[in-house]
Amino acid sequence: QVQLVESGGGLVKPGGSLRLSCAASGFTFSDHYMSWIRQAPGRGLEWISYITSSGSATYYADSVKGRFTISRDNTKNSLYLQMNTLRAEDTAVYYCARDPDTTNKVDYWGQGTLVTVSS
Amino acid sequence: DVVMTQSPLSLPVTLGQPASISCRSSQSLLYRDGNTYLSWFQQRPGQSPRRLIYQVSNRDSGVPDRFSGSGSGTDFTLKISRVEAEDVGVYYCMQGVYWPPITFGQGTRLEIK
Repeated sequence: QVQLVESGGGLVKPGGSLRLSCAASGFTFSDHYMSWIRQAPGRGLEWISYITSSGSATYYADSVKGRFTISRDNTKNSLYLQMNTLRAEDTAVYYCARDPDTTNKVDYWGQGTLVTVSS
Repeated sequence: DVVMTQSPLSLPVTLGQPASISCRSSQSLLYRDGNTYLSWFQQRPGQSPRRLIYQVSNRDSGVPDRFSGSGSGTDFTLKISRVEAEDVGVYYCMQGVYWPPITFGQGTRLEIK
């Protein structure tokens, strides 16, 4: 069965950096585009980044462009999100999500990892 | 960006009664391949989201048949024929036609009256 397991969240000071990981299993990771989606406390869902199956193309929401970098290692079945220059408004649960077929965009989600940006 | 607008934002429902959530997109979600890419997700309290419906009306595996999706163009509806206690949570619609960004509705919180 499809499993996505995020890790790497934690408490970080404003201006700091953090790297999130998502370990995928139960499907052929290298065949699928992947996303990072976040949810601030008590708020809705916000898509923030997307990467093609090979990693050759990446896309970002305006809110994180220039600060966050999505990447993947298909040999390790892993997705990453490097987050720099973190702000208080980046505080959220971060989910990785699988794109089933490049058109439906999202089907399976991980359990999420909490990032708290606070001094 | 395509804006997804859900209503109502809060939905108190009596157990066993039907429920309906509306989602409107600011542009038609009919894609050039003839399909319409509108999905519905359920997020139970303390859990990550789970997809219920894709391409307007296709139920995902394991989703009870009391859930159904309908609509076309810019107007979509998620219906629950008879609400059960396990249906409590927040429901989101999502479009993946015009991206980036992929956009979600604000969410509709379903609670038991």
